[in-house]
Amino acid sequence: SQELEQSPQSLIVQEGKNLTINCTSSKTLYGLYWYKQKYGEGLIFLMMLQKGGEEKSHEKITAKLDEKKQQSSLHITASQPSHAGIYLCGAGDSGGGADGLTFGKGTHLIIQP
Amino acid sequence: ETGVTQTPRHLVMGMTNKKSLKCEQHLGHNAMYWYKQSAKKPLELMFVYNFKEQTENNSVPSRFSPECPNSSHLFLHLHTLQPEDSALYLCASSQEWVDYNEQFFGPGTRLTVL
Repeated sequence: SQELEQSPQSLIVQEGKNLTINCTSSKTLYGLYWYKQKYGEGLIFLMMLQKGGEEKSHEKITAKLDEKKQQSSLHITASQPSHAGIYLCGAGDSGGGADGLTFGKGTHLIIQP
Repeated sequence: ETGVTQTPRHLVMGMTNKKSLKCEQHLGHNAMYWYKQSAKKPLELMFVYNFKEQTENNSVPSRFSPECPNSSHLFLHLHTLQPEDSALYLCASSQEWVDYNEQFFGPGTRLTVL
């Protein structure tokens, strides 16, 4: 079965600073999903990456998938308090279909004012 | 609001109780999922339903019994649970595409088993 390792496990960043979260897979990724979770709540979809070398951005968040499709990074520029939460990467066994996702343990992000 | 609702949001039950969690999606999706989120563990897939048919059971103990009467509703029936079953239970839905599986999550039910 696929395993996803996220690093770091937790991160404390001063407001306005940049940060990067990593997600490494034990297998080739067909689709890599990034979600954000507020503590004790549901997950909010951020981005999905499929192709090797793909990069997507939304507001101040950029996600990349490496050429080998086994590593992804999530980069936040000029962090704000609203970025605080748990960031989770998830992957399916295939690109689509009604497959459950395998998730990493998450990265807890705290933004210090 | 993601279009997926879950009730109740919080539930406390004894080990001999029977209770049910409810999930409803208003997105017209055909697939629905139950996940379990325990402290210090990755989110774990429990069940997958596609067009009301169960397509995946991730070795879940029989004290958890899912039910999917239609594509919009999903239930998780609970009986004789153990304290280690205390967790956040998340429901999700998605539309089955060939190469894309964005899942929309509900807010979760925080379950405490005494």
